[in-house]
Amino acid sequence: DTGVSQDPRHKITKRGQNVTFRCDPISEHNRLYWYRQTLGQGPEFLTYFQNEAQLEKSRLLSDRFSAERPKGSFSTLEIQRTEQGDSAMYLCASSLARVSGYTFGSGTRLTVV
Amino acid sequence: DAKTTQPNSMESNEEEPVHLPCNHSTISGTDYIHWYRQLPSQGPEYVIHGLTSNVNNRMASLAIAEDRKSSTLILHRATLRDAAVYYCILRDVENAGGTSYGKLTFGQGTILTVHP
Repeated sequence: DTGVSQDPRHKITKRGQNVTFRCDPISEHNRLYWYRQTLGQGPEFLTYFQNEAQLEKSRLLSDRFSAERPKGSFSTLEIQRTEQGDSAMYLCASSLARVSGYTFGSGTRLTVV
Repeated sequence: DAKTTQPNSMESNEEEPVHLPCNHSTISGTDYIHWYRQLPSQGPEYVIHGLTSNVNNRMASLAIAEDRKSSTLILHRATLRDAAVYYCILRDVENAGGTSYGKLTFGQGTILTVHP
């Protein structure tokens, strides 16, 4: 068990470019969550997968955001036409059971310039 | 989602116990109380969770009031590595209609400073 891995750790991109982040959850965890965190705030929920099905999306997830989890394993989060307001830490978490704790990754810090 | 109220910050000395309070007066019967902490430049880390009874694990203890409207996270001997933001969160158990998937809703948390 190597924990939840996120790649890349840091990403600097120009406004208007597309970016994609990857999350590898703990292998036996069927539940995967994406969160976004801005400086000084707690993480905000973006979306949830159970296996390969995306079951819940936050209103924060605009049309420019898309997430996938093919085959119920790793997940990707893509942001199209990035804006400066997208600058944040993007966190991925996985869990096994309905009420068990999450395991978070270390996050991908996105800076849009 | 039911909300929690925590102090913005607390301070402690190394090797002393720390009691981090959390109020959740609107908790529902199916809400679990979760605690996470976040060290600088890291993702949140699960600490402990409970429903009605007090819980202990290797990291901390969770004391839950009888009416469940408040809880306290107890670090028995604070170390410098315990300095972090501590989040108290109410987590929905998924309902039969499938409209709640147990997501965590984070607040501002309590910034814990530990002095040597």
